[in-house]
Amino acid sequence: DAGVIQSPRHEVTEMGQEVTLRCKPISGHNSLFWYRQTMMRGLELLIYFNNNVPIDDSGMPEDRFSAKMPNASFSTLKIQPSEPRDSAVYFCASSPQGLYNQPQHFGDGTRLSIL
Amino acid sequence: KQEVTQIPAALSVPEGENLVLNCSFTDSAIYNLQWFRQDPGKGLTSLLLIQSSQREQTSGRLNASLDKSSGRSTLYIAASQPGDSATYLCAVRPDGATNKLIFGTGTLLAVQP
Repeated sequence: DAGVIQSPRHEVTEMGQEVTLRCKPISGHNSLFWYRQTMMRGLELLIYFNNNVPIDDSGMPEDRFSAKMPNASFSTLKIQPSEPRDSAVYFCASSPQGLYNQPQHFGDGTRLSIL
Repeated sequence: KQEVTQIPAALSVPEGENLVLNCSFTDSAIYNLQWFRQDPGKGLTSLLLIQSSQREQTSGRLNASLDKSSGRSTLYIAASQPGDSATYLCAVRPDGATNKLIFGTGTLLAVQP
């Protein structure tokens, strides 16, 4: 049974470049979440979707960040332009919508380094 | 604003010891609380989920308790093993209307063989 799949696993790029992170949720899961993890701030929710619709994007730090979910099996998180302070591990998670006592399932994350 | 705190930030114990990890939250009006495990370079794995109406949940050597009125949860690990070494995070879901989780900063556990 495939879990949440994220790509790439590691990304190193220079400041100012566009970065696109990708996520494939577990089949049948209707909710998708993007998190950012840093030593200083811990794990923070950036945005989440229900049935491909963004529900809460209050955690998105700036307009440089955007997220899309064009269909039930794919989502992207884009940073443009990237800055060194965006360096972090970005996680995607999914869960069955409406079943609020079901845990979220996490991917292995994308480790992003902005030089 | 709900805040979740985990103390201690790091813990080292010898193999075989029973241990308790602590999680505190500032707003007692929660929907549920979850405990996760995170291994280095990996995502989070859900261990136990306690609904707001429950007092505890058990899975194998793990037991999680919840005291909403005092804003506390504990994760008890019995007969610890080196394979239990990981970071343990608790997360609170503030209400049933949203899927948002608010995470603590975690406790890094090292079980020495």
